[in-house]
Amino acid sequence: DGGITQSPKYLFRKEGQNVTLSCEQNLNHDAMYWYRQDPGQGLRLIYYSQIVNDFQKGDIAEGYSVSREKKESFPLTVTSAQKNPTAFYLCASSIGRPSGYTFGSGTRLTVV
Amino acid sequence: DQQVKQNSPSLSVQEGRISILNCDYTNSMFDYFLWYKKYPAEGPTFLISISSIKDKNEDGRFTVFLNKSAKHLSLHIVPSQPGDSAVYFCAASAKAAGNKLTFGGGTRVLVKP
Repeated sequence: DGGITQSPKYLFRKEGQNVTLSCEQNLNHDAMYWYRQDPGQGLRLIYYSQIVNDFQKGDIAEGYSVSREKKESFPLTVTSAQKNPTAFYLCASSIGRPSGYTFGSGTRLTVV
Repeated sequence: DQQVKQNSPSLSVQEGRISILNCDYTNSMFDYFLWYKKYPAEGPTFLISISSIKDKNEDGRFTVFLNKSAKHLSLHIVPSQPGDSAVYFCAASAKAAGNKLTFGGGTRVLVKP
């Protein structure tokens, strides 16, 4: 079955630590995206990648980093520079229109 | 600057009645619009889309209307069912911007039995 897998589902981070969220897809999609959702708010774009070994900053990239070494994988690192990292993180991939994105089930990150 | 806005954060409707969700956008380059449905602690799932060359698209109980001159789109759900209770996101994309999606803030729909 094709889809996007995000892991872990829940993640706890201590202040000052970097953590990496995993995103893997077997849909053969070229484009991949990371979004953040805060309570009662919409989805805000962190980073996106249209092709392997290339990625661009989204609207809220500060304090985050990504890599795209393989087509299937687009990990997101939340660094200690991210001032308010507690949120629900969603990874998506796309082959283009008409259905837009396929989303993973998300990772909830909590800073303790 | 929010380019896609959903001005109603929540909506309550009786089972069997119509749910109408609204979405406004400001970027005239947007040429493709989508609606997603999201349950808590899950990723959004694609519901229905519309291209700017159309003004209506229908799929079963879901119909999306696009008014380009007003930069406004709406999603109609008829009849509403309890399983429709979820958060609905409007999204827009521009081909010139690589098709990345810009999302609205979402509308939480509660369908009462």
